[in-house]
Amino acid sequence: SQQGEEDPQALSIQEGENATMNCSYKTSINNLQWYRQNSGRGLVHLILIRSNEREKHSGRLRVTLDTSKKSSSLLITASRAADTASYFCATEPHSGTYKYIFGTGTRLKVLA
Amino acid sequence: NAGVTQTPKFQVLKTGQSMTLQCAQDMNHNSMYWYRQDPGMGLRLIYYSASEGTTDKGEVPNGYNVSRLNKREFSLRLESAAPSQTSVYFCASSDNYEQYFGPGTRLTVT
Repeated sequence: SQQGEEDPQALSIQEGENATMNCSYKTSINNLQWYRQNSGRGLVHLILIRSNEREKHSGRLRVTLDTSKKSSSLLITASRAADTASYFCATEPHSGTYKYIFGTGTRLKVLA
Repeated sequence: NAGVTQTPKFQVLKTGQSMTLQCAQDMNHNSMYWYRQDPGMGLRLIYYSASEGTTDKGEVPNGYNVSRLNKREFSLRLESAAPSQTSVYFCASSDNYEQYFGPGTRLTVT
């Protein structure tokens, strides 16, 4: 069963706009990560947020975590055509096992 | 550094055939993983290895076996391939939380 569910499944925006995607999960977590996957390629790590953190920034990325709602959001500001990719959240349900469960992903298309 | 490498990139098998997918990493990571990715399903963990000499089942281990040959290499074997194993297979390695992924193997079973 999938631990993480991303929303929306697909998103299409104009270059320069902000893109927001959400991840909901089912069990308590130690941390949550976001990954990007360009078409046909392996995943690339973007950012990690720990369960005791509420917000984290990395360049044009902003991640929030609400453990009471079991949800996280990824905001990409001032999007570029190169941001076109699928984005996945990954959660570690049991601390220390390093067994991550990935969500189903959000397909982002940024139009130039 | 090559990072995580996988061979082959593409493979077509007939039902019942066997094959081994190879994965190697040059980052001296302890943990290695095998995932499969099907359309609309995200990545699902098949097996993982927390360290050399140990392996553990993930979410979808049936029909697969793994070998952690040494710290660098982690192979995935399909003993008797089935059409349901048609998928893209990714290997990953990690030394803490961040996982580094290989480019994937696209496997078709006819």
